[in-house]
Amino acid sequence: GQNIDQPTEMTATEGAIVQINCTYQTSGFNGLFWYQQHAGEAPTFLSYNVLDGLEEKGRFSSFLSRSKGYSYLLLKELQMKDSASYLCAVRGDNYGQNFVFGPGTRLSVLP
Amino acid sequence: KAGVTQTPRYLIKTRGQQVTLSCSPISGHRSVSWYQQTPGQGLQFLFEYFSETQRNKGNFPGRFSGRQFSNSRSEMNVSTLELGDSALYLCASSLTGTEAQPQHFGDGTRLSIL
Repeated sequence: GQNIDQPTEMTATEGAIVQINCTYQTSGFNGLFWYQQHAGEAPTFLSYNVLDGLEEKGRFSSFLSRSKGYSYLLLKELQMKDSASYLCAVRGDNYGQNFVFGPGTRLSVLP
Repeated sequence: KAGVTQTPRYLIKTRGQQVTLSCSPISGHRSVSWYQQTPGQGLQFLFEYFSETQRNKGNFPGRFSGRQFSNSRSEMNVSTLELGDSALYLCASSLTGTEAQPQHFGDGTRLSIL
């Protein structure tokens, strides 16, 4: 079966660091993506991991452990505009966009 | 560079009707995927088209169908609409849909069934 778990909601303070976890069990693995979605808007791409380890992109970093079926998104120096839902998505097949999305984590950044 | 364009943005239908949604991908993108997003189920994959062929399909009933034209534009059709089909339908495109290419999403069509 296909299953992706994320915490439903998280709250953090402006300027702080927050880690959003994602665990997955999917048939096949060909990459894990993180997307950000503000309320009422389309999801936008944040990061991609296919090999174990940390990928850093400015204030955002994403980590992957394939053996543990685990990833996290790390957001540093939080800003109010980071308040959004964060979606973890796994591509199972070799070809194409056969994605399974997690339920999303709603992050609220407080002043 | 224009983004992914979905039309219409909002649609109201009644049970039993059918609906067609349209998606124009980013210029040069050949892979187009469709998703249904609801508060209870999150983002669920419907299908993916590449070079006018359905390449992947999610677990939705046959009432949901799609097609892709030679210019990569795609349409999604839902027949015999049910109340549970009320959702935000998102289209996403990428170059070829493989490897590290991210998907670029449109703003979606919000479908309400009365």
